[in-house]
Amino acid sequence: DQQVKQNSPSLSVQEGRISILNCDYTNSMFDYFLWYKKYPAEGPTFLISISSIKDKNEDGRFTVFLNKSAKHLSLHIVPSQPGDSAVYFCAASLMGNNNDMRFGAGTRLTVKP
Amino acid sequence: NAGVTQTPKFQVLKTGQSMTLQCAQDMNHNSMYWYRQDPGMGLRLIYYSASEGTTDKGEVPNGYNVSRLNKREFSLRLESAAPSQTSVYFCASRRETLGYYGYTFGSGTRLTVV
Repeated sequence: DQQVKQNSPSLSVQEGRISILNCDYTNSMFDYFLWYKKYPAEGPTFLISISSIKDKNEDGRFTVFLNKSAKHLSLHIVPSQPGDSAVYFCAASLMGNNNDMRFGAGTRLTVKP
Repeated sequence: NAGVTQTPKFQVLKTGQSMTLQCAQDMNHNSMYWYRQDPGMGLRLIYYSASEGTTDKGEVPNGYNVSRLNKREFSLRLESAAPSQTSVYFCASRRETLGYYGYTFGSGTRLTVV
């Protein structure tokens, strides 16, 4: 039972354009959401997060939007750069249990020069 | 600054063999975790240790055991490997003061059970 879903296995965008990665979740008890970035042969690294009390969080070129009623979040990268090419994982944490993060299957982003 | 170090990076086992995956962190973190990643699925938590001397089951603990040897080291043992345990295994540690985003992952161990 995958509680966090990333329905697009891959995404390809042109350098300089916007990348939008999507994530859906089923458990309304999730109260904290994160995006991780993973390069080949490396472990995931934290990118950006958002609490359920907010609907937007921005960090430089990266913005995460949360729509609680739709149980949906998205990561926007503007402008996209070739170095952003990686696998992006969406993750969510259950209320009161920050030792148990649930991950989506990931979206492979390719940014073409 | 090594962060989280996992050994080995690759391993091939025969069904029924046993092995231990090693993980060590040098960041003085209290919490450590073992995840597995399978194709088409996200990372799934196997076991975690919130502090030295404690371990707890995660989402998929069956077929595994863990040992928190000391604050630095958290090992994952497969007593009798099965092909269903073919996966990439990630160890992570967490700095509590940073909350959720304090996870630091190792680079992974790719395990194949034939």
